[in-house]
Amino acid sequence: EAQVTQNPRYLITVTGKKLTVTCSQNMNHEYMSWYRQDPGLGLRQIYYSMNVEVTDKGDVPEGYKVSRKEKRNFPLILESPSPNQTSLYFCASSFRDRGNTGELFFGEGSRLTVL
Amino acid sequence: QQQVKQSPQSLIVQKGGISIINCAYENTAFDYFPWYQQFPGKGPALLIAIRPDVSEKKEGRFTISFNKSAKQFSLHIMDSQPGDSATYFCAASNRGSTLGRLYFGRGTQLTVWP
Repeated sequence: EAQVTQNPRYLITVTGKKLTVTCSQNMNHEYMSWYRQDPGLGLRQIYYSMNVEVTDKGDVPEGYKVSRKEKRNFPLILESPSPNQTSLYFCASSFRDRGNTGELFFGEGSRLTVL
Repeated sequence: QQQVKQSPQSLIVQKGGISIINCAYENTAFDYFPWYQQFPGKGPALLIAIRPDVSEKKEGRFTISFNKSAKQFSLHIMDSQPGDSATYFCAASNRGSTLGRLYFGRGTQLTVWP
């Protein structure tokens, strides 16, 4: 089954404790991206990657890191989480051309709470 | 700065009615406009998309209308059903200079009453 898999789905952590949210896709997509969803603010792009070893900032990259060492994986790293990073996070992927036109496949989300 | 402005924030429609969600943008370089549908506990899923060289696109009960001169586009859901109750996001992208960027509106929570 074609899918984008995120882990963990739910996480409660404390300020400053480094964490990684993993994202894996099995569709051989070149393009991957991370979004955060907050009430009233919609979906905001954090980082995206057009291909392996190519990453770029979205609208809200502060406090996050990403890496793209393999085509299928695109982990989101919070080096020192803060309460304002409490949010619902989505990973998405697409073939490169579709990624640029906005036709994305989304994971089911990772709800993160930072105390 | 909000690149895509979406309204209303919430919408309540009776079963069988027409749901209308509007979006507006400023950046004339945008050249692709997808709509996403999100059910509670799920990720968004592509519903329908349109390019600016087309004024209308219809897929079943869902229609996008596009007004290039006004820089506005809207989603119409005909014969709305309780199963359409979800959050809808419009979005915009530029396939040229901002490769990989996709800008979303803030979403509209649609509730269809039976």
